[in-house]
Amino acid sequence: NAGVTQTPKFRILKIGQSMTLQCAQDMNHNYMYWYRQDPGMGLKLIYYSVGAGITDKGEVPNGYNVSRSTTEDFPLRLELAAPSQTSVYFCASKVGGDGEGNSPLHFGNGTRLTVT
Amino acid sequence: AQKVTQAQTEISVVEKEDVTLDCVYETRDTTYYLFWYKQPPSGELVFLIRRNSFDEQNEISGRYSWNFQKSTSSFNFTITASQVVDSAVYFCALSDAGGTSYGKLTFGQGTILTVHP
Repeated sequence: NAGVTQTPKFRILKIGQSMTLQCAQDMNHNYMYWYRQDPGMGLKLIYYSVGAGITDKGEVPNGYNVSRSTTEDFPLRLELAAPSQTSVYFCASKVGGDGEGNSPLHFGNGTRLTVT
Repeated sequence: AQKVTQAQTEISVVEKEDVTLDCVYETRDTTYYLFWYKQPPSGELVFLIRRNSFDEQNEISGRYSWNFQKSTSSFNFTITASQVVDSAVYFCALSDAGGTSYGKLTFGQGTILTVHP
């Protein structure tokens, strides 16, 4: 089982460029999430999805967009990269409908993004 | 709103010492879940434990133990006889069990644990 797969592992962007961070899971999980991790700040939720075609904002959605056309994939789009988006991005997934908060999140290995 | 506070930013110990990582949480929900995750230097996030709000029994798993106290809203994590491989960032996290929570986690800031040989 691959679990949650994120690509790329590393990326350097120039200010104003755009890119898509890919996330795929093969566990048939309904729920998927994007978090960003800044030093000393823990992880903050950017967007989440509870199923194909359903997405919603998290705590820090500005500057990002998502889509969920399939159960497996949950890409994160940065349209106009800014230095404030320099961070490590984690995608995660979990089963849904089990008491919601009960089961743990499965995380990908992260994408380290630098915007200069 | 939910909040998780890990007041210890960094802890440094020598191998074989015991170390406790503190976690204090805030929530208005009566049913919720608490988690600990480990992030080793390689960067991935590893799930360690989940505890629901109705189960205040302490848990021990090898050298790891967890103390959950609702009265003080704390969910502390102790490593006994620490080892160099325990060096990592440890995150405490909270999720409520409501129908619109969708399993979203609120994370603490993390505690960097360094175990010296």
